[in-house]
This record gives sequence, structure tokens and C-alpha cells, in this order.
Amino acid sequence: RKEVEQDPGPFNVPEGATVAFNCTYSNSASQSFFWYRQDCRKEPKLLMSVYSSGNEDGRFTAQLNRASQYISLLIRDSKLSDSATYLCVVNNPNDYKLSFGAGTTVTVRA
Amino acid sequence: EAQVTQNPRYLITVTGKKLTVTCSQNMNHEYMSWYRQDPGLGLRQIYYSMNVEVTDKGDVPEGYKVSRKEKRNFPLILESPSPNQTSLYFCASRWTSGSTTDTQYFGPGTRLTVL
Repeated sequence: RKEVEQDPGPFNVPEGATVAFNCTYSNSASQSFFWYRQDCRKEPKLLMSVYSSGNEDGRFTAQLNRASQYISLLIRDSKLSDSATYLCVVNNPNDYKLSFGAGTTVTVRA
Repeated sequence: EAQVTQNPRYLITVTGKKLTVTCSQNMNHEYMSWYRQDPGLGLRQIYYSMNVEVTDKGDVPEGYKVSRKEKRNFPLILESPSPNQTSLYFCASRWTSGSTTDTQYFGPGTRLTVL
């Protein structure tokens, strides 16, 4: 079983729509969770950290469900510039290693 | 400006010809990593380093070497490249507190083709 699994998509949505997707992780001891954004074969960049109580950053909302071992990302009022691949990232507590999902592709159309 | 630099950005080489991809960071981070990214497989860690002279294997270390003689530099060495090492490579660095506030910074990537 992969350490981090994501629905690859693509999620093809019109501008202004809401899109949400999840990722699951296998290590129940994981402590830190992140969403990174990657544009077409460029370097990944941190979008937001995910806190236990859930957190919001503008149009982006991240949720953590420890019982079911998944995190989610919701994008409201999608913009064309939100088109990207979103990487789910989990920090393993013992060796500081970050495990990456393969990414969920979102395409926002005009 | 905080950054991770990699060179070269693009490289086409032939099987068996030794090559080195350099990586440098200016944030005084202890932890540095090398990843390769292949379609459908996501980012896979090749090697990592917790600090100077401390390196360890990641998930896919075969065919690669690294060194960490200085805190800022973490070169990736392919002693005898093979076509299955054709990939997009990223160097990255971060602090090691493991906190949710830790950001991992990535270099711009090196697109390697081995013929």
C-alpha cells in the first residue's frame, strides 16, 4: 500500500465552481500534513499546512480526519490560475521524511 | 532571497557517462533531499542528508550517490547513468523540527535524459 494516495483526477471545473478532493495516508503516527501546488513540471511550492482543527487560507480550506486517516482540500470560487497539480504531503515523525502523493490535477476552464 | 539552486537545468547525456547535478541552498537548512519525479509515480526520495557528513538512502537510491561536505551544498552523482534514470530531479531543503510550520523549499528541477 502506498504511504499517501490521491485521486489523480483530472478535475475539470468551470470558473467560479467549488472543487474538493481527498488524500489518504497509511501511517497513523503521522503528525504533520501539507498541501503543495505544482505547476506543469515546475517545482512544488507549499500551498498550506493542515492543522488538526482544519484551516482556511482565502479560497482554500484544508481538513484533517485522523480517525479515517485522510486530508482534504477544497477550493471555492475557482480561478483559471488555480489550474495545477495538488500534492498531498505527510511528514513521518521518526525520520523527518516527507511522503508525497502522486498528485491531483485540477483544470479550471473559462 | 531564500532559494535552492540546481544546475544544470537540462541535460542530455549517454549511458555510462558520469555526471553530477549540483544543489545549493542559502537558508542554512540542516535537511536536504533529492527526489525524482516520474509520471504517475509522484516524487520519490533518492537520498537525504540530516546535516554535514550525514547522508542516508531514500526510497530509490540505486544508481545514485550523494555527498554533504558543506551545509549549503548537496550534489547528486550518477556514476554510470542508464536510460531508466531519465527523469525530472528536484533538490529540496528544510529545517528538521517536523513542525507544521516547516516549509520544504524545492530547487527549479533538472530534466535529465539518458540515451
